[in-house]
Amino acid sequence: ELKVEQNPLFLSMQEGKNYTIYCNYSTTSDRLYWYRQDPGKSLESLFVLLSNGAVKQEGRLMASLDTKARLSTLHITAAVHDLSATYFCAVDMASGTYKYIFGTGTRLKVLA
Amino acid sequence: GAVVSQHPSWVICKSGTSVKIECRSLDFQATTMFWYRQFPKQSLMLMATSNEGSKATYEQGVEKDKFLINHASLTLSTLTVTSAHPEDSSFYICSARPSGKVTKQPQHFGDGTRLSIL
Repeated sequence: ELKVEQNPLFLSMQEGKNYTIYCNYSTTSDRLYWYRQDPGKSLESLFVLLSNGAVKQEGRLMASLDTKARLSTLHITAAVHDLSATYFCAVDMASGTYKYIFGTGTRLKVLA
Repeated sequence: GAVVSQHPSWVICKSGTSVKIECRSLDFQATTMFWYRQFPKQSLMLMATSNEGSKATYEQGVEKDKFLINHASLTLSTLTVTSAHPEDSSFYICSARPSGKVTKQPQHFGDGTRLSIL
């Protein structure tokens, strides 16, 4: 069974703190995507990771991909309230299909 | 660039009616579009892959006779929920994959349609 699991499912943290969200997957995909979703809204693309060892950073967020371990991380540095949202990772169901299977999601709440 | 428009954004209708949702790629062509469904506080689940000029392919457990998909042009796919019932109430999101050259962003997502069946 194809699975994409995120950990934790819910995260409440203080502003200024650091934390990492983990995404484990069981497919053979060599690509992984991170999205942000605000309540009642659709998805906002954060990162597209296209190969093993890929690391990308944007502002306070940094994502990495280890295809051998089938693991991606989304690291949050010095969190601010505006980062409060639900974060999803997604992978291709099978290489080259571009059919996404989404992770379980991580609801992040940053407390001021 | 790479805008995907969904219409309507919110629809409320009575049980038993059919509802059509449109997904348009405004500034690019999309041979392939995808339809996802998201229940409250849950993840997105792929329902079907819409291919221009051919039949859609449905994921396991999705009733193709209930969720009719038409991909009539390279910029438009429609999802029709037939004889909708309260359990079909959900957030439906489409995405479009640009045709032709490889882009940095394999899929572009629409803003979603919130469907409420009374």
